Amino acid sequence: AQKITQTQPGMFVQEKEAVTLDCTYDTSDPSYGLFWYKQPSSGEMIFLIYQGSYDQQNATEGRYSLNFQKARKSANLVISASQLGDSAMYFCAMRVETSYDKVIFGPGTSLSVIP
Amino acid sequence: GAVVSQHPSRVICKSGTSVKIECRSLDFQATTMFWYRQFPKQSLMLMATSNEGSKATYEQGVEKDKFLINHASLTLSTLTVTSAHPEDSSFYICSARAGGGWTEAFFGQGTRLTVV
Repeated sequence: AQKITQTQPGMFVQEKEAVTLDCTYDTSDPSYGLFWYKQPSSGEMIFLIYQGSYDQQNATEGRYSLNFQKARKSANLVISASQLGDSAMYFCAMRVETSYDKVIFGPGTSLSVIP
Repeated sequence: GAVVSQHPSRVICKSGTSVKIECRSLDFQATTMFWYRQFPKQSLMLMATSNEGSKATYEQGVEKDKFLINHASLTLSTLTVTSAHPEDSSFYICSARAGGGWTEAFFGQGTRLTVV
């Protein structure tokens, strides 16, 4: 069975500082994709970054980067230069190719950026 | 990115009635759509996977007769909560994929259902 673990229920970071949100995953499927989504209080899911299981390099998207350590089955999100608007819930998610590409989510981390 | 529109965004219904939630892909054809449920301060729980023209695949523990899913076209999937009860009150959100080789999943805005 597939599973996503996020061990940090809540995190605080000072504005303009960098923060790392942890994510570990478990799957026996050799082909999978890992995502990070941001969910502000409005409820919409905002795609941040994607990493494929066969990608050799860590993904980066602007201020977001994904620290992918395949052997450890971890896919931590790094947000550089935090902004007040980054305060939200962050979900790590995994797409499993052998299951209709369904996407399962971790429990989430609530990030609060302090001015 | 592609746009997924979910309607309504909020709905209040009486206990015992049915509620239909629509999920539309506006600028792409969605071969597969996913329906999730989210309780306050919790994660998204996958309810079912909906493939166009075939029956939905429900996750373990999800009542298929309670949550009817129809994916009649490549741009529309509907979730009907039948005989709703207060415990069905939740945030329901859909997502869609365009086809093979996709990366990100495109999400609708979500529907907040309150059963009174």
